[in-house]
Amino acid sequence: NAGVTQTPKFQVLKTGQSMTLQCAQDMNHNSMYWYRQDPGMGLRLIYYSASEGTTDKGEVPNGYNVSRLNKREFSLRLESAAPSQTSVYFCASSDPSGGVNEQFFGPGTRLTVL
Amino acid sequence: QKEVEQNSGPLSVPEGAIASLNCTYSDRVSQSFFWYRQYSGKSPELIMSIYSNGDKEDGRFTAQLNKASQYVSLLIRDSQPSDSATYLCAVQGSGGYQKVTFGTGTKLQVIP
Repeated sequence: NAGVTQTPKFQVLKTGQSMTLQCAQDMNHNSMYWYRQDPGMGLRLIYYSASEGTTDKGEVPNGYNVSRLNKREFSLRLESAAPSQTSVYFCASSDPSGGVNEQFFGPGTRLTVL
Repeated sequence: QKEVEQNSGPLSVPEGAIASLNCTYSDRVSQSFFWYRQYSGKSPELIMSIYSNGDKEDGRFTAQLNKASQYVSLLIRDSQPSDSATYLCAVQGSGGYQKVTFGTGTKLQVIP
């Protein structure tokens, strides 16, 4: 049982390049999330998927797109990377059907945009 | 006013002492509250959840919730150097998708 996995672990991009961050969970959770974490800013929600087939914007969606490929997988795409997108990206999943949204995080992707 | 506020620290305590971490929140109808531990360079790890007023104990950890004061705290008894980490408070609001808002965290240092 791997929990939440993310690839890649590290990435360096040049301004304007594109890339996709991959996330998968094996906990049979309905909901999945993408966060970014910056010093002094805490975790900020980029996009979330409440269930397979649905996605919605979070607090900081500009410059990102997402795809909920199936129940297990949720990807985050940067179409044209900017230095402001240098951050640590975390994927999380949860099963809030019982009313409590305990989220479980993947190991993160450390992205640098030059 | 931030939705979830924590003192950034660092909070330094000697080994064996009680560490007290505090968090306040602004949404009066918040439902559930979580404490995450995050080691440097690692991802957040859920260590406690609390939903009702009062105390909830799990090993050396005790979470305390006071909804009237909009205050939640985490006590760590017999603190160990391995407890040195940043502790994130998270609050689940009343939003339609059960939005969880995270504080910026308190850095705890346990001095041997």
